[in-house]
Amino acid sequence: AQTVTQSQPEMSVQEAETVTLSCTYDTSENNYYLFWYKQPPSRQMILVIRQEAYKQQNATENRFSVNFQKAAKSFSLKISDSQLGDTAMYFCAFMKHGSGGGADGLTFGKGTHLIIQP
Amino acid sequence: DTEVTQTPKHLVMGMTNKKSLKCEQHMGHRAMYWYKQKAKKPPELMFVYSYEKLSINESVPSRFSPECPNSSLLNLHLHALQPEDSALYLCASSQADRVSQPQHFGDGTRLSIL
Repeated sequence: AQTVTQSQPEMSVQEAETVTLSCTYDTSENNYYLFWYKQPPSRQMILVIRQEAYKQQNATENRFSVNFQKAAKSFSLKISDSQLGDTAMYFCAFMKHGSGGGADGLTFGKGTHLIIQP
Repeated sequence: DTEVTQTPKHLVMGMTNKKSLKCEQHMGHRAMYWYKQKAKKPPELMFVYSYEKLSINESVPSRFSPECPNSSLLNLHLHALQPEDSALYLCASSQADRVSQPQHFGDGTRLSIL
């Protein structure tokens, strides 16, 4: 079984600052995928960014980027130029390549509550 | 607007009631999921359907009964629930044959058991 650990229950930064959320995971799998989802109070889970474990290049999506360290099993999220709308719960998630190549579920960390202060 | 639609948004039911949660998507996804999320906790996987067949059941009690009548629709039938089953129930969908593609979530159904 795999586990995902987010060691920061809550973080607070000023608008326009850069913030990094940490995530570590433990797995014996070779093929897997990592995701960051955000869940605002409206409760819908929204994909922020994803990373395939076989890709060495770190994923980026506009203001969001990851630092993926496969050997260290670390997958941190950096948010640049933070905005008020970034306030949300952020979940790091792991998905292994399903048996037979099929779909599999996500394993989530406990989440980091990010607050962007005006 | 979410591409995965869940109804109802809120549901209050007694422990002896029978009710159903509904999830619908029209993205052509052939994998669909149910997650349970307690307050201030992460979602936990309950079931996975792949090509309309149940592929994963995470040892969920039989009072929860999933059903996937077609590729666009996923139901969760509820019967004789307990107060600890009160939670947010999230549905998600994804491409079944491209597992690197992300899961798309609905807004969830907030379930309260009296």
